[in-house]
Amino acid sequence: NAGVTQTPKFRVLKTGQSMTLLCAQDMNHEYMYWYRQDPGMGLRLIHYSVGEGTTAKGEVPDGYNVSRLKKQNFLLGLESAAPSQTSVYFCASNPGLSTDTQYFGPGTRLTVL
Amino acid sequence: SQQGEEDPQALSIQEGENATMNCSYKTSINNLQWYRQNSGRGLVHLILIRSNEREKHSGRLRVTLDTSKKSSSLLITASRAADTASYFCATAHGYALNFGKGTSLLVTP
Repeated sequence: NAGVTQTPKFRVLKTGQSMTLLCAQDMNHEYMYWYRQDPGMGLRLIHYSVGEGTTAKGEVPDGYNVSRLKKQNFLLGLESAAPSQTSVYFCASNPGLSTDTQYFGPGTRLTVL
Repeated sequence: SQQGEEDPQALSIQEGENATMNCSYKTSINNLQWYRQNSGRGLVHLILIRSNEREKHSGRLRVTLDTSKKSSSLLITASRAADTASYFCATAHGYALNFGKGTSLLVTP
């Protein structure tokens, strides 16, 4: 039981490049989340999903897109990366009670030059 | 928006001492959770307290919640060097958790 995994762990992009971050969970959780963490800012919610095929915007959705084609996977896409998107990205999931414990992945450190 | 605010921002104590950190929030909540983050790692859930609870214990952790003051505190008793980490409170409402900016705890041997 791997829990929540994220791919890749590190990535460096040039401004304007695109990439997709993959989050996978093997706990059969309904809800999944993408956060970004910046120094001194805590975690901010980018997008979330309450089930396969559904997505919704969080606090800071601009510049990101997401997809939840399979229940166990939640993808975060950057179509045209900007330096302001340099951050550590965390994925999380929870069983389906929207305000229950969240289980976090190890994070992806993204640098946009 | 970040609803929870932790205080202090940083705390340095010696092993064996107790560590207390506080969290204030602005609007009504369903529950409040505390998470720990070791440097460079993901967050780990520590404890959840529901809005109708006033105090909860888990091992060396004690959490209190005062909904009238919109505040919570996390007490770690008999701190160890391994407790060195950042601690975040998160308030729950709707589908989301709103995290504070965290308290950085340093426990020195």
